[in-house]
Amino acid sequence: NAGVTQTPKFRVLKTGQSMTLLCAQDMNHEYMYWYRQDPGMGLRLIHYSVGEGTTAKGEVPDGYNVSRLKKQNFLLGLESAAPSQTSVYFCASTEHKTNTEAFFGQGTRLTVV
Amino acid sequence: DQQVKQNSPSLSVQEGRISILNCDYTNSMFDYFLWYKKYPAEGPTFLISISSIKDKNEDGRFTVFLNKSAKHLSLHIVPSQPGDSAVYFCAASAQAGGTSYGKLTFGQGTILTVHP
Repeated sequence: NAGVTQTPKFRVLKTGQSMTLLCAQDMNHEYMYWYRQDPGMGLRLIHYSVGEGTTAKGEVPDGYNVSRLKKQNFLLGLESAAPSQTSVYFCASTEHKTNTEAFFGQGTRLTVV
Repeated sequence: DQQVKQNSPSLSVQEGRISILNCDYTNSMFDYFLWYKKYPAEGPTFLISISSIKDKNEDGRFTVFLNKSAKHLSLHIVPSQPGDSAVYFCAASAQAGGTSYGKLTFGQGTILTVHP
């Protein structure tokens, strides 16, 4: 049981380049999320999805886009990377009911130079 | 505006002793609280949770206490083991009303080091 898998694990981008981070979950979870972790800030929600074909903005959505074309996949896109987007990105998923914990992927460390 | 705060960046304890990690929140709508543990180069993993209708929840060596009037929760680890050394994140959610969609607000994290 793989749980939540993120691709890639590491990436270095030049300012202005674009990339897509892929998140895949095999638990048939309805809800999926993208968080970023920065030193001293904890994890902050970027975007989330409550089901296939739906997306919504979180706390820090600027500079990112997302898509949920298939229930098991949640993609995070950076159209024009900026040094401020240097961070560790975590994908998570949870069942469609209250009081259930989220399962996290192993993270993607992104550096924008 | 940090709605969930962990004011201690780090904590060091001796093996076998109690570790107490603290968390404060400001949003009165939060009614479900979780603790996550994170090792380097890994994603956070769920540790224990508590609903606002309770003031205590235990799971083995881990106990979470909730003081709603003070908007404070704490995680107790007894006895502490070297394998408990990790970053601990407190997280909160507003479940009532059905519009939280599982979104979590995290604290900054506390680095726990348990010395043998």
